[in-house]
Amino acid sequence: GAVVSQHPSWVICKSGTSVKIECRSLDFQATTMFWYRQFPKQSLMLMATSNEGSKATYEQGVEKDKFLINHASLTLSTLTVTSAHPEDSSFYICSARDNRGSQETQYFGPGTRLLVL
Amino acid sequence: LAKTTQPISMDSYEGQEVNITCSHNNIATNDYITWYQQFPSQGPRFIIQGYKTKVTNEVASLFIPADRKSSTLSLPRVSLSDTAVYYCLVGAGANNLFFGTGTRLTVIP
Repeated sequence: GAVVSQHPSWVICKSGTSVKIECRSLDFQATTMFWYRQFPKQSLMLMATSNEGSKATYEQGVEKDKFLINHASLTLSTLTVTSAHPEDSSFYICSARDNRGSQETQYFGPGTRLLVL
Repeated sequence: LAKTTQPISMDSYEGQEVNITCSHNNIATNDYITWYQQFPSQGPRFIIQGYKTKVTNEVASLFIPADRKSSTLSLPRVSLSDTAVYYCLVGAGANNLFFGTGTRLTVIP
């Protein structure tokens, strides 16, 4: 399968600061990447779809000005949590769509644990 | 937007075959069915993907009936390390992958 990486794997920050999370497709190009958020004991919730070279598409209820997404290249998407607050503490997971085969397949990164104090 | 329904949890003894069924009554013509495994504090790991009939790889089999309104993930001879949450997702192209509740599989020694 394809490999997707995330950096950092965990981050602790003070309330009011901004945090940037990187998502990279290591062995394939991805025109479309996705950002999910997962709270303890819950399923993954899709936050936004990141499209290379264009604006991200946000799911209902997700503040685009708070969760800034940039997909500047075919292998990198970034999620910036601006002015983070304790309620933003969560596990953030990205995925990238692999179109190389006959079927589209989504591969996920290892996740980034964010703790806002 | 295809919604999926799975059992919340399942228990199995080591060495047994485990079958997890997922319902997706509103699956679209272009949608694929994909199963993922997730361990705590890790991203979901791709297990298997299919469109119809049967697909098999080195870790699992996926059975899809002709109407495609359900699918069954089959794990042969599970071990303790297979204890995880298993998600069934449907989607393709413009249909993004939305996660349901998943099935928490517990393998018992």
